[in-house]
Amino acid sequence: EPEVTQTPSHQVTQMGQEVILRCVPISNHLYFYWYRQILGQKVEFLVSFYNNEISEKSEIFDDQFSVERPDGSNFTLKIRSTKLEDSAMYFCAIPGQGGGVQYFGPGTRLTVL
Amino acid sequence: AQSVAQPEDQVNVAEGNPLTVKCTYSVSGNPYLFWYVQYPNRGLQFLLKYITGDNLVKGSYGFEAEFNKSQTSFHLKKPSALVSDSALYFCAVRDKVGTYKYIFGTGTRLKVLA
Repeated sequence: EPEVTQTPSHQVTQMGQEVILRCVPISNHLYFYWYRQILGQKVEFLVSFYNNEISEKSEIFDDQFSVERPDGSNFTLKIRSTKLEDSAMYFCAIPGQGGGVQYFGPGTRLTVL
Repeated sequence: AQSVAQPEDQVNVAEGNPLTVKCTYSVSGNPYLFWYVQYPNRGLQFLLKYITGDNLVKGSYGFEAEFNKSQTSFHLKKPSALVSDSALYFCAVRDKVGTYKYIFGTGTRLKVLA
C-alpha cells in the first residue's frame, strides 16, 4: 500500500487565519484528493487534483479553499480565512490499485478557535 | 445522485462470533463499492472493493463483503470477530464513471466484546 504522510498532525488556529495543510506521497503521483471529516460525521469529498489542475470539486470547496503542488512532490490545501465550522480532520488520498481505490493519509486535525 | 447508507450507528458483537456491518447503495449504472476502516486517530485503511465479478469479495484482515444487486447491498462480514476489529467502518461508492470522487456512508462503529 502506497504511503502518504500529512503535516501537521494537528493544527490549532484562530478564526480568520490562513492555514496550509500538506500531503506528501512517498512515490510520485499526478492525482490526489482531499476529504474532510467533521468530528463524528461522515467523510466528505472536497477536491481532486490532476496534473496541477483541479479536476473536480464539491460545493464545500468554495473560494476560501485552494490546492497546489508547490514543488512537484508535496500537495497543499490552503484555507484562506478559517471559520469555526472548518474544524475537522482533513485527509489527503492518492490513487492505488485499479478500480478507483484510494489510499488515505493519517489526516490533519484542524481546530479553529 | 449516488448514495450509500449505513443503517446502524453501532454494532456490538462478542469475540469469536460472526459479524456483519450493513451497507446499501443507490447508484445509476454499475457500482464501484468499497469498504474502509478507521482506527482511532488514524486515516482510512482500504479493506476491499467490488467492481465486477464474484459477488463475494475477500479483503484484508479476514474481511469479506457480499454484493447483492437485487437488494442493492454490500454488507461487510467476518466469520470470527476479534477485539482488535473494533473500529469505525465506512462504506463508499464511486460517484460516477470517469470520476474519482467517493461518496461515503455515515460510518458504523464496530465494538467487539471480549
